[in-house]
Amino acid sequence: ETGVTQSPTHLIKTRGQQVTLRCSSQSGHNTVSWYQQALGQGPQFIFQYYREEENGRGNFPPRFSGLQFPNYSSELNVNALELDDSALYLCASSLDRTGSPLHFGNGTRLTVT
Amino acid sequence: GQQLNQSPQSMFIQEGEDVSMNCTSSSIFNTWLWYKQDPGEGPVLLIALYKAGELTSNGRLTAQFGITRKDSFLNISASIPSDVGIYFCAPDNYGQNFVFGPGTRLSVLP
Repeated sequence: ETGVTQSPTHLIKTRGQQVTLRCSSQSGHNTVSWYQQALGQGPQFIFQYYREEENGRGNFPPRFSGLQFPNYSSELNVNALELDDSALYLCASSLDRTGSPLHFGNGTRLTVT
Repeated sequence: GQQLNQSPQSMFIQEGEDVSMNCTSSSIFNTWLWYKQDPGEGPVLLIALYKAGELTSNGRLTAQFGITRKDSFLNISASIPSDVGIYFCAPDNYGQNFVFGPGTRLSVLP
């Protein structure tokens, strides 16, 4: 059984640029959630995708967007990067959207300068 | 909005000691999960609780889902060095989204 994998592991971008982060879900999981974790804090929910459609969104602006593909892998896109976007971005997959436990990847560390 | 608190924020214990931490919320939840996060890695699921009053064990770990559905605690018995890390509670209501607490940072002294 393959776990959740994320790429890249680290990324440095400049303010105003755009970034795409990628996630492969665990085998058999159809739901993907994205979280932002600032240094020293708990993960904050960005949004969730179920069967290629957004299934819930946290308190993040529209410049945070996502996609889920037919194989249930997912992308997180962030436009017009700001310094405060610097964080660890975590992807988690789950069996379904009804409260099954989240299984996390090791995240992408994004630094915005 | 809902508030989620974890206590203590951090703790230093001697190897072999028992640990107790808890999580309280201003809202009712139907599921409580506990995660551990090591530096540079994603959170790893420790225990899942699905019913108010439920007490569940996983090796040296024991967790309980509070009867009011607004709290949960996690106990670790006979701590070892690899227990070091940050422990998060993460309650949910039928998949609306898992809300993570601010975490309890555990340090184990040899």
